[in-house]
Amino acid sequence: QKEVEQNSGPLSVPEGAIASLNCTYSDRGSQSFFWYRQYSGKSPELIMSIYSNGDKEDGRFTAQLNKASQYVSLLIRDSQPSDSATYLCAGGTYKYIFGTGTRLKVLA
Amino acid sequence: EAGVAQSPRYKIIEKRQSVAFWCNPISGHATLYWYQQILGQGPKLLIQFQNNGVVDDSQLPKDRFSAERLKGVDSTLKIQPAKLEDSAVYLCASGEGEEQFFGPGTRLTVL
Repeated sequence: QKEVEQNSGPLSVPEGAIASLNCTYSDRGSQSFFWYRQYSGKSPELIMSIYSNGDKEDGRFTAQLNKASQYVSLLIRDSQPSDSATYLCAGGTYKYIFGTGTRLKVLA
Repeated sequence: EAGVAQSPRYKIIEKRQSVAFWCNPISGHATLYWYQQILGQGPKLLIQFQNNGVVDDSQLPKDRFSAERLKGVDSTLKIQPAKLEDSAVYLCASGEGEEQFFGPGTRLTVL
């Protein structure tokens, strides 16, 4: 059974801090990984994709992939209250498995 | 660019009734996905289309769920008959390549 695992949280960080979200996956053959942000009552919104080992930066977001250790992480710098949401990790090859999401709370 | 469109946004039905959801993908996207998201869980893939052919329907409960994508554009997902455990948000996504973009979803409540 292929799985993507995330800590459900909530992860609470103060405004302006770095939020670190982690995800592990069981399918060693997985090639592509995605981070989605989902506000309560809304649909998932793609914020980052990563395909190669290492870091990928986009604005305040940095995705990190380590295929040897089978983990993916998302760093959010200068966290804002508007970043408060559930962050879903997804991974796989052609077919993607979603984790259950980590709820992030940014405290003003 | 218009996003993925879905309708209806909300639906309440009695168990054993039937229901249908409609999805219009982003223009030009060949791949269309239907997901089921139960409260507190991540989306679970029900079916994936590439143009009008089915790529993966391994998690679709085929005794009650059906889906079609005629002409490789719009798609319909049907549940007949519905069960209480079908209460969830049904998400449609489309993509061209690796990335998927979700529509607003249909929230289904089965009483």
